[in-house]
Amino acid sequence: QKEVEQNSGPLSVPEGAIASLNCTYSDRGSQSFFWYRQYSGKSPELIMFIYSNGDKEDGRFTAQLNKASQYVSLLIRDSQPSDSATYLCAVKSSSNTGKLIFGQGTTLQVKP
Amino acid sequence: EAQVTQNPRYLITVTGKKLTVTCSQNMNHEYMSWYRQDPGLGLRQIYYSMNVEVTDKGDVPEGYKVSRKEKRNFPLILESPSPNQTSLYFCASSHRGGPTEAFFGQGTRLTVV
Repeated sequence: QKEVEQNSGPLSVPEGAIASLNCTYSDRGSQSFFWYRQYSGKSPELIMFIYSNGDKEDGRFTAQLNKASQYVSLLIRDSQPSDSATYLCAVKSSSNTGKLIFGQGTTLQVKP
Repeated sequence: EAQVTQNPRYLITVTGKKLTVTCSQNMNHEYMSWYRQDPGLGLRQIYYSMNVEVTDKGDVPEGYKVSRKEKRNFPLILESPSPNQTSLYFCASSHRGGPTEAFFGQGTRLTVV
């Protein structure tokens, strides 16, 4: 079992729709969870972080965390073509607090 | 401006010719790490450093060396590069401990022929 799992996609949504990206993780002690956006050939860019169970909203983005189910998700409302990118889920290791464990990423395509 | 700076951004080299990719951060972060990114394999950690003079292997350390003599710098050394080290490399830094995110450098695209 991979430590952090994401569906690689591509996930294709029409412009204006809600994109839902999912991530599961294996480290039950993890406390910090991050979503990065990465455009092709560019470095990952932090877009959301969440530490507590429930929802966290920032503009068009909502992160959802369920520690009991070891599940993190990212919702993008009113998707735009500029949202087309790969979204990386990252989980901070509970045993090595400096280490981030990344999923393989989900490619999102927003079609005009 | 807070940043992680990698150099060079692009490098084409030949098998066996030693090279160094530099990484520098200006945020006084304790933790620095190197990742490589390959299609279908995601970001894989090569080495990390918890502080000056403290380094440890990540998930794919073979063929790489690192050093951490100063807090701000964390160079990645390929003593004898091979074609399977052709990849996109990222340096990242963060504060040790606590729920902090990582800041990434711009990336170094390395091709070994």
